[in-house]
Amino acid sequence: KQEVTQIPAALSVPEGENLVLNCSFTDSAIYNLQWFRQDPGKGLTSLLLIQSSQREQTSGRLNASLDKSSGRSTLYIAASQPGDSATYLCAVVDSGTYKYIFGTGTRLKVLA
Amino acid sequence: KAGVTQTPRYLIKTRGQQVTLSCSPISGHRSVSWYQQTPGQGLQFLFEYFSETQRNKGNFPGRFSGRQFSNSRSEMNVSTLELGDSALYLCASSLSAGSSYEQYFGPGTRLTVT
Repeated sequence: KQEVTQIPAALSVPEGENLVLNCSFTDSAIYNLQWFRQDPGKGLTSLLLIQSSQREQTSGRLNASLDKSSGRSTLYIAASQPGDSATYLCAVVDSGTYKYIFGTGTRLKVLA
Repeated sequence: KAGVTQTPRYLIKTRGQQVTLSCSPISGHRSVSWYQQTPGQGLQFLFEYFSETQRNKGNFPGRFSGRQFSNSRSEMNVSTLELGDSALYLCASSLSAGSSYEQYFGPGTRLTVT
């Protein structure tokens, strides 16, 4: 059964710092992996989608990498800003069930 | 282009009642998925609809059901509400069914069962 874990559960950093969020999954048989951010009480905003054949995707200050064989993905945020404060979720599409399986999230706070 | 819309945004119901939530996907999107988000269980997949057919289903009891209309709008229904059904219900749309399509989420409906 596919399980997705995100470490750390919470993170507080000063503004301007570069940071890495981690996502690990137990079964490497996935179709893709997607990173989202969620602001309190709101829906999810898609950040990056990495297909299983890709190793990384970049959008602005965000870079996500995927290592299927080790069951890991990282989201790198450069020069963090207070506006980056949110919960970050990763999700994989499990190739056995075709379902999105979400991680538990990392709650990020960037201090001004 | 308008995003995914969900109505109502907030709902308070009493245990035993039933509720219907609505989701309008992004124009041109034909696949709609529903999720339940709670502090204890996180985000869990409920079901996915494409071309008015349920393509995939999560591990929820039969009290949870859904449907999709010919214009791709979707509704989900929960009958005989329980306190544990209190959650944020999120709907997501994508261009088509299949694993390679990016999902776009709505703002959610916050359901409180008393």
